[in-house]
Formats: sequence, C-alpha cells, structure tokens
Amino acid sequence: AQKITQTQPGMFVQEKEAVTLDCTYDTSDQSYGLFWYKQPSSGEMIFLIYQGSYDEQNATEGRYSLNFQKARKSANLVISASQLGDSAMYFCAMRGPWGQGGKLIFGQGTELSVKP
Amino acid sequence: DGGITQSPKYLFRKEGQNVTLSCEQNLNHDAMYWYRQDPGQGLRLIYYSQIVNDFQKGDIAEGYSVSREKKESFPLTVTSAQKNPTAFYLCASRGGLDYEQYFGPGTRLTVT
Repeated sequence: AQKITQTQPGMFVQEKEAVTLDCTYDTSDQSYGLFWYKQPSSGEMIFLIYQGSYDEQNATEGRYSLNFQKARKSANLVISASQLGDSAMYFCAMRGPWGQGGKLIFGQGTELSVKP
Repeated sequence: DGGITQSPKYLFRKEGQNVTLSCEQNLNHDAMYWYRQDPGQGLRLIYYSQIVNDFQKGDIAEGYSVSREKKESFPLTVTSAQKNPTAFYLCASRGGLDYEQYFGPGTRLTVT
C-alpha cells in the first residue's frame, strides 16, 4: 500500500531564512508522482510543486524546490527566503494508481510558522 | 476566472438529516474528487468521478453518496448513516493531461 509520512508536526523558521520540510513515501510502483500543497488558515489547498518518479532533475518553482532522493524514498520541500505569508500547513502527497482515478494520498502535514 | 466553487462555506445540520454539499468547476476538467479532512489530519478520498455518469468509491465512502449528471458539477450528499460527519470537505478536479488536482475553498460541516 502507498503511504506518505511527514514526521514534523510543526516547524519554526526566521523570516528570510530557508527551511526544509520532510516527506518520506512508500510505494511498490515504478511510476508515481509526488506533490506538495500549502493550506493556509482559510482552508484552500494550493498546489506548489510536482515531481515525477522518472524526472532526473529536482523540480523547482520559484522559491520552492523539491529535494527528490529516490533511493531513500524522500521528497523534501525546500522553501528559500521564507516570508511571513508562508506560515501555513504543508502537505506532501502521492498520486495513487491511475486505476484508482489518480487519487492523492496525503501525509499528516507540517505546520510552518515564520517568525519576523 | 476559471476555478472550483463550493457552497456554502459553513454548514450546520442536526443529527439524522441528510445534507448536500455543492461543487462546481468551470475548468472543463473530466475528473472530480471529494476529500474529507479532520482536524490535524491529511485529506482522505471519499468518492471520485472520471467521466459524466460514472463515479467510484474512495477510501471512506460509507455514509456518503454522489452524482455526476453534468461535467461541471459533482455534489456530495452526507447521509444520516455517516457516523462522524463533522469535518472539512474539499472538492477537487483534474484535467486529462494534468498531474495536479485543483481544489475548491472547502465546506466546513458541523452536525450536532
């Protein structure tokens, strides 16, 4: 069965510093996708970044980058130059089998607080 | 503007009543999903639909029902059989060539 594990319930970071949010995954599939979503206090899930299992380079989107280590089954999110608006819950997710409609399997989330 | 709308944002119901949550998208996406989120937890899949007039159970479908009569709409009914209906419900959609799912703003349901 596929599983996502986020072991950091909460993290603090100083404004303008970089922070890494951890994510490990478990799957027996060779083809899979990994996602990070941000959930501010309003509740909406905001897509941040995607990494395919066959992508050789780590994904980057602006201040977000995904540190993909396939052998370790980890997909950590790195946020550079943290801003106060980055304070939110962050969820790592994996795309389930296409036979199950491409559903997303989520971790428990990490609450990030950015200090001024 | 293209997007997903969910209404209402907050919903209150008495125990034993069925309630229907609305989800509408104008992104022309084929696939739509319903997730449930409990406090301090990640999202869990309730139902999904990949095409009009077809839908499949997700991981926690018991006590819920859906319909997909139009491409744009995927309403979720929380029935009285759902033992713990109080939760935050999120609807999402995905285009055929997209990997990511786009989410609506969510509906917070409270049943007392």
